[in-house]
Amino acid sequence: AQSVAQPEDQVNVAEGNPLTVKCTYSVSGNPYLFWYVQYPNRGLQFLLKYITGDNLVKGSYGFEAEFNKSQTSFHLKKPSALVSDSALYFCAVRDRTGGFKTIFGAGTRLFVKA
Amino acid sequence: SQTIHQWPATLVQPVGSPLSLECTVEGTSNPNLYWYRQAAGRGLQLLFYSVGIGQISSEVPQNLSASRPQDRQFILSSKKLLLSDSGFYLCAWRGTGNTEAFFGQGTRLTVV
Repeated sequence: AQSVAQPEDQVNVAEGNPLTVKCTYSVSGNPYLFWYVQYPNRGLQFLLKYITGDNLVKGSYGFEAEFNKSQTSFHLKKPSALVSDSALYFCAVRDRTGGFKTIFGAGTRLFVKA
Repeated sequence: SQTIHQWPATLVQPVGSPLSLECTVEGTSNPNLYWYRQAAGRGLQLLFYSVGIGQISSEVPQNLSASRPQDRQFILSSKKLLLSDSGFYLCAWRGTGNTEAFFGQGTRLTVV
């Protein structure tokens, strides 16, 4: 069965410092990998995805993610955090062999302090 | 460009009342459509998905049902709401040429 783990309920970081939000997955084969962000009482916004190729993927708002096949991880990163980055972040996977369902992690709340 | 509309934004309903949440997508044809529920501002639970008109797959047994009467319309329903149906409901779509899904703004349902 497919699953996604986000081991941290919450990540705290000071503005201007680098941030990392962790994600590991368990999916047979080679999945598509995604990161989404959610602001309070809003839908999810797509940030970035990994399909194939370069293990470092760049996305919206200065975010990037590093795919590591051997560790089955897809950690979200940003070199310099902003207070406005404070939100709920979701990692997600979808089986690329005809899978219709996108499976989401439990979410990690990011707090960036000024 | 494609857009997704979900309404209403908020809803307060008494226990035992019916429910109908609607989601429509514009600017695409034959999308895959999804209903998710998010409890307590955390993880998303996939409730239903549809790959075509009249085709509904249910992920979890529950008090809800879904229908797809038109290509770009997806409806979430209940005949009698329970307190446990409260939550944040999200509709999403994915085009056949897309890898990622795109979400509506959600409906906050409170059953009282």
